[in-house]
Amino acid sequence: ILNVEQSPQSLHVQEGDSTNFTCSFPSSNFYALHWYRWETAKSPEALFVMTLNGDEKKKGRISATLNTKEGYSYLYIKGSQPEDSATYLCAPMDTGRRALTFGSGTRLQVQP
Amino acid sequence: DVKVTQSSRYLVKRTGEKVFLECVQDMDHENMFWYRQDPGLGLRLIYFSYDVKMKEKGDIPEGYSVSREKKERFSLILESASTNQTSMYLCASSPPGLAGGNEQFFGPGTRLTVL
Repeated sequence: ILNVEQSPQSLHVQEGDSTNFTCSFPSSNFYALHWYRWETAKSPEALFVMTLNGDEKKKGRISATLNTKEGYSYLYIKGSQPEDSATYLCAPMDTGRRALTFGSGTRLQVQP
Repeated sequence: DVKVTQSSRYLVKRTGEKVFLECVQDMDHENMFWYRQDPGLGLRLIYFSYDVKMKEKGDIPEGYSVSREKKERFSLILESASTNQTSMYLCASSPPGLAGGNEQFFGPGTRLTVL
């Protein structure tokens, strides 16, 4: 089982603040990294799938970077809005099996 | 749009009962997954399947089995439910190919309580 760590566990910010989270994973045998957003009472939804070292992906105000050599990814939210309140999950996959290993997530709450 | 449905949103069962959780996807996805989610532990993989009649154990398969007789349906079976199987269960599917490169689409989840 991959050791996946996400920090912080939770975060409270004010509307308009920018924020970022970290996902750490083993760098050996890396294959892909996924980010998901999970809003309360909804299903997790994919934000990004990243496979290449140095990858940067962007969707609106949310972006992510990937460093496979050192085993980490950052997720950034610019100008947080209340609708960004959710748990953000990262999930790496190595070449050893066909499945993701999810971190325990970062729970973000954005106060209006 | 991909749709993943699960048979129940809420389920209450007794200890020792056999429990079936059903998952159906409508996008012809090869890969299907069962997870459970517990507070502070994130999503943990129970079983997955990358083809009909194929299955692989995930990280926590003990006490569970699965069935994939048709491509669109993936069932999770609790042979003899126990209280430590009280949890939220999520099903997911992803397109063909190595699952790591393809995003997963999740169902709404089944909250199972075992009394």
